[in-house]
Amino acid sequence: DQQVKQNSPSLSVQEGRISILNCDYTNSMFDYFLWYKKYPAEGPTFLISISSIKDKNEDGRFTVFLNKSAKHLSLHIVPSQPGDSAVYFCAASVYGGATNKLIFGTGTLLAVQP
Amino acid sequence: DTAVSQTPKYLVTQMGNDKSIKCEQNLGHDTMYWYKQDSKKFLKIMFSYNNKELIINETVPNRFSPKSPDKAHLNLHINSLELGDSAVYFCASRGRTSTDTQYFGPGTRLTVL
Repeated sequence: DQQVKQNSPSLSVQEGRISILNCDYTNSMFDYFLWYKKYPAEGPTFLISISSIKDKNEDGRFTVFLNKSAKHLSLHIVPSQPGDSAVYFCAASVYGGATNKLIFGTGTLLAVQP
Repeated sequence: DTAVSQTPKYLVTQMGNDKSIKCEQNLGHDTMYWYKQDSKKFLKIMFSYNNKELIINETVPNRFSPKSPDKAHLNLHINSLELGDSAVYFCASRGRTSTDTQYFGPGTRLTVL
């Protein structure tokens, strides 16, 4: 029972264009969402997050959008750079408390072509 | 200055052996986690400790036993290793701030032959 899904295992984008990575979730109790980036042979690195009281959060080239009614979030990277090539994981949790745990999607491999 | 570190980075061993993976964080965080990334690249939580107390124990075989000697360390001991235990194991930690940001270690690739 996968509560967080990333249906695109891979995405290829030209340098300078927009990358859009998508994530769907099924558990309506989730109220905090995160994106992590992972390079080969390294641990996931936190990128950006959003709480359910917002529908958009922006940090430089990265913007996360949340559509609660559709249980969908997306990560936009503009402009995409070759160094952005990595696996991107979407994660969700129920906010607050020491028992919090992150539920991860299966990841999307982004390849930014020079 | 590494925030979350794990040793070893690679571990190759025979079926039936017992092995340990160590994790240390210097972020002053209260909560630490072990995750397993399987061959399908799915990252799944195994355990979580808060101030040395076990607070999350997912459906994991009893052969896996976490140990937290202090807040900064969370080790994972695995008995009677099986082929299916081959995976990448990630340690993570999280503070008491208002976010759920978890910081991950570099991972330990375990290969059971």
